[in-house]
Amino acid sequence: GAVVSQHPSRVICKSGTSVKIECRSLDFQATTMFWYRQFPKQSLMLMATSNEGSKATYEQGVEKDKFLINHASLTLSTLTVTSAHPEDSSFYICSATKGGGPYEQYFGPGTRLTVT
Amino acid sequence: AQSVTQLDSQVPVFEEAPVELRCNYSSSVSVYLFWYVQYPNQGLQLLLKYLSGSTLVKGINGFEAEFNKSQTSFHLRKPSVHISDTAEYFCAVTDYNTDKLIFGTGTRLQVFP
Repeated sequence: GAVVSQHPSRVICKSGTSVKIECRSLDFQATTMFWYRQFPKQSLMLMATSNEGSKATYEQGVEKDKFLINHASLTLSTLTVTSAHPEDSSFYICSATKGGGPYEQYFGPGTRLTVT
Repeated sequence: AQSVTQLDSQVPVFEEAPVELRCNYSSSVSVYLFWYVQYPNQGLQLLLKYLSGSTLVKGINGFEAEFNKSQTSFHLRKPSVHISDTAEYFCAVTDYNTDKLIFGTGTRLQVFP
């Protein structure tokens, strides 16, 4: 199999605080991990691509200083939303690939972030 | 650059009826094509994928899709839907040179009893 977990599944934080979301590949080594954001009733928007041991590549319009991504190992990537604001409330989903083609992504169950 | 169009934002259908969810893509290079399903407040689950070979691809839960290169389409079909098929369905494309997935806007399949 190819199982990806995310923690926490739901988080509520106060405006101005930071929150960290973990993404783990449980039964494979993930050469690349992706972070998506999904607004209600909308599609997934790619935020950034991360490879183990290197800096993440952010999509245009995504603030790298606000959304900090750390891909510390081949099985773990973290997304930290810094100085969160209510407009950061969203559903965040990570995915991972095994590498070597054909680039199938395995998705985590998502994290619902609510900033009050 | 690649793009994906899902023309139908919502598809209502009665239980046991057939359904087709449309997907068209645009790309200047060869692509891989995927259909994912998303249940409420959950991540995405892969239904099926086209990488190469036979243009008719069979997936899980009785779904199938046909890759049509001349029409740049990858429509998803099921001959008889169930209530449990009610969900959001996303078509996605990636190319040989990148890991990135480009998603369509999604189609909400609503199955009525």
